[in-house]
Amino acid sequence: EVQLVQSGTEVKKPGESLHISCKASGYNFTSYWIAWVRQLPGKGLEWMGIIYPDDSDTRYSPSFQGQVTISADKSINTAYLQWSSLKASDTAMYYCARLREATNTPFDYWGQGTLVTVSS
Amino acid sequence: AIRMTQSPSSFSASTGDRVTITCRASQGISSYLAWYQQKPGKAPKLLIYAASTLQSGVPSRFSGSGSGTDFTLTISCLQSEDFATYYCQQYYSYPPYTFGQGTKLEIK
Repeated sequence: EVQLVQSGTEVKKPGESLHISCKASGYNFTSYWIAWVRQLPGKGLEWMGIIYPDDSDTRYSPSFQGQVTISADKSINTAYLQWSSLKASDTAMYYCARLREATNTPFDYWGQGTLVTVSS
Repeated sequence: AIRMTQSPSSFSASTGDRVTITCRASQGISSYLAWYQQKPGKAPKLLIYAASTLQSGVPSRFSGSGSGTDFTLTISCLQSEDFATYYCQQYYSYPPYTFGQGTKLEIK
């Protein structure tokens, strides 16, 4: 059974760093792209970027380029989303998701989400 | 970036109704269109991809159609578990693969 299990809720202060994780199981982690999606409180879905864990090829949405870093550790089947300096506007739910096949495919499996709250 | 516009943004319907949600792309995307369902507090779930292909395990009352710039999601006979927010997503041109703003389907 394909599963993406994300790390737990985070409460941080502005300026702090953070990384959240997405651990995959039930399939060959290195053969599928993983995406990160942001959902601001009460709002819609935003595609942040994708990574191919086998070679760490990474593509970012222009809106998120330079704002976050997506990485993966294929030895432990885990993808990461990280911030070097959080802002209050980063408060959101973050989902990881698996792309169904190649880059131009939808997301067929999703993590349960990680809630990040940034507040002074 | 390609802009995806859904209509309506929200509406009310009753169990047993047939409902249709539309999604329009700002430029042609062939059939690179997916529909997702999201319930409160839950991750989205893939319903349909390639505009009209039902994801495994999704009930057949869901169907999708369209190509180019105009697409529809139809639920043929609403069930209580179908009240949720629905999103379309284009995966034709990236980055990013943009989502529509969502359509919230509520019980009348």
